Amino acid sequence: EAGVAQSPRYKIIEKRQSVAFWCNPISGHATLYWYQQILGQGPKLLIQFQNNGVVDDSQLPKDRFSAERLKGVDSTLKIQPAKLEDSAVYLCASSRFGNEQFFGPGTRLTVL
Amino acid sequence: AQSVAQPEDQVNVAEGNPLTVKCTYSVSGNPYPFWYVQYPNRGLQFLLKYITGDNLVKGSYGFEAEFNKSQTSFHLKKPSALVSDSALYFCAVRDPRYNFNKFYFGSGTKLNVKP
Repeated sequence: EAGVAQSPRYKIIEKRQSVAFWCNPISGHATLYWYQQILGQGPKLLIQFQNNGVVDDSQLPKDRFSAERLKGVDSTLKIQPAKLEDSAVYLCASSRFGNEQFFGPGTRLTVL
Repeated sequence: AQSVAQPEDQVNVAEGNPLTVKCTYSVSGNPYPFWYVQYPNRGLQFLLKYITGDNLVKGSYGFEAEFNKSQTSFHLKKPSALVSDSALYFCAVRDPRYNFNKFYFGSGTKLNVKP
């Protein structure tokens, strides 16, 4: 089966600019996750969708980050405006309930 | 608070020697532990998980993990390390109390296998 797709793979922006990341999960996976991974750290969950509903966004900085999963398939994560500390790899993952997560290759964001 | 601990930031081992990467957790209920591996510039890849049954779980690439319920640990092991095993390893635990998948990740352990 095809894996989790993410784009772009790399993005460089200046602080206060906006950026958006796209994720297409594995077909049939109801759960979609967005993680932020800062260099040298483990993934930090930003938001989790079950179909097109949000089940956990407790660690999402809602003043600048937003995400949607229209029609319960692909998803977009947006940062507006970006800060220097947002420089990280943004990972998207999907899973079936009770099973392991499948991760995409990630988007490396650099904020200058 | 729920947490997953990987006490070693880095593990160094010579090729051909056995390796162990440690993981302990503090998660309510009967959680399910997992191991993932991350190669440079790649996303995380699933290695293995414990569900029920035998406490020694066998996974991909010759890795295995030992589940210890009383010590709430799930240490990753391999009898003979390869240079190609050098990567970043993450322990994760699924909290079964929710009707959706809720995972907690450790901070990762860098495994260096030297020829």
